[in-house]
Amino acid sequence: GAVVSQHPSRVICKSGTSVKIECRSLDFQATTMFWYRQFPKQSLMLMATSNEGSKATYEQGVEKDKFLINHASLTLSTLTVTSAHPEDSSFYICSARSPVFTGYVGDTQYFGPGTRLTVL
Amino acid sequence: AQSVTQPDIHITVSEGASLELRCNYSYGATPYLFWYVQSPGQGLQLLLKYFSGDTLVQGIKGFEAEFKRSQSSFNLRKPSVHWSDAAEYFCAVGPRSNDYKLSFGAGTTVTVRA
Repeated sequence: GAVVSQHPSRVICKSGTSVKIECRSLDFQATTMFWYRQFPKQSLMLMATSNEGSKATYEQGVEKDKFLINHASLTLSTLTVTSAHPEDSSFYICSARSPVFTGYVGDTQYFGPGTRLTVL
Repeated sequence: AQSVTQPDIHITVSEGASLELRCNYSYGATPYLFWYVQSPGQGLQLLLKYFSGDTLVQGIKGFEAEFKRSQSSFNLRKPSVHWSDAAEYFCAVGPRSNDYKLSFGAGTTVTVRA
């Protein structure tokens, strides 16, 4: 089946530094990837939609200069948290949409295992 | 605005007992409906989905869900839970369009006791 990986799985950084999280579709090409943020014991909040070769579309309230998204290839999207602060600590999850259309495209979203970011 | 409500934050069930997780949605039109499961520290795995047709949907791991239009509900059930079913369960909805965005409920934590 379709596999999505994220790297790193866990990262601890100092306040003010930038952190890059990678999301890869391992056995398929993903024209669209999504980035979510999940606070402890809460639901997933969509942050942005990343389309290969174009600028990401951010959800309302998400600072695009804070959360830089690059979708440079059909198998890789990166999320960079710039000048991270403790309030950015969270669990970040990506998903990738397979180009194989089986019906509603939500059917073909495959989720990565997530990245736990802790900012000290 | 669309919303997804999972009324139960936490459910504890004995192994072998039945399980039902509630999900209600508020949407302009009947959306596509999904249930996902998340094990600790893991990503989400799709359990089942409803697009159209038979309102009783069968999924993986012995789960099923029933869509009730009149109640705007999509409750998840399992007749006999296993200890490995302990996880976080999310109900999600998406529009019947080319918009790929999913809206998730707050989740229900399921604890299974021996």
